[in-house]
Amino acid sequence: GDSVTQMEGPVTLSEEAFLTINCTYTATGYPSLFWYVQYPGEGLQLLLKATKADDKGSNKGFEATYRKETTSFHLEKGSVQVSDSAVYFCALSVNTGGFKTIFGAGTRLFVKA
Amino acid sequence: NAGVMQNPRHLVRRRGQEARLRCSPMKGHSHVYWYRQLPEEGLKFMVYLQKENIIDESGMPKERFSAEFPKEGPSILRIQQVVRGDSAAYFCASSPPGQGAGSEKLFFGSGTQLSVL
Repeated sequence: GDSVTQMEGPVTLSEEAFLTINCTYTATGYPSLFWYVQYPGEGLQLLLKATKADDKGSNKGFEATYRKETTSFHLEKGSVQVSDSAVYFCALSVNTGGFKTIFGAGTRLFVKA
Repeated sequence: NAGVMQNPRHLVRRRGQEARLRCSPMKGHSHVYWYRQLPEEGLKFMVYLQKENIIDESGMPKERFSAEFPKEGPSILRIQQVVRGDSAAYFCASSPPGQGAGSEKLFFGSGTQLSVL
């Protein structure tokens, strides 16, 4: 079945470090791909998305490129801030007669000052 | 435009009681999804509903759990005879109608934290 695998956390970085969180997927058909972020005590918020191969989603300095050949959608940021500390979820959306979104297990990021 | 509203925010039940979790989707949204999040785990899909219809319930436990999204009023996730293992955060999300690009984006509520004593 359709699934998302992302790197295990927690990931601990110092402020201004480079961030990569790996995400790979398995899907029948042609999914849309997403990164969501969850801050403590809150629901998930969409961070960025890409709907077709080679699309790059970007937002707030984060970016990810839809790589069909490697079935990947890795999240990157050039310089993290303490405020980026959160849990990041990779997800895919497939059409099952309406869109069903499947999430990875989440990766917790801690950024130290 | 109010976001997705879930209530209660926190719900405490004793084993054997019933839990009812409510979700009002964003205005204009006709699709509702329920997810369960256990501590230090990801979101597990439970059920996907449109008005008066269950589209996909492949993630729902076969017993004790049910969901509805009536023509009027909020979506309800109902858990009968709760057990300690039901303790989790339950998130509702909604999305607008249509199946084109952009309609797959989910808008999440803040969740209901269910604690079973």
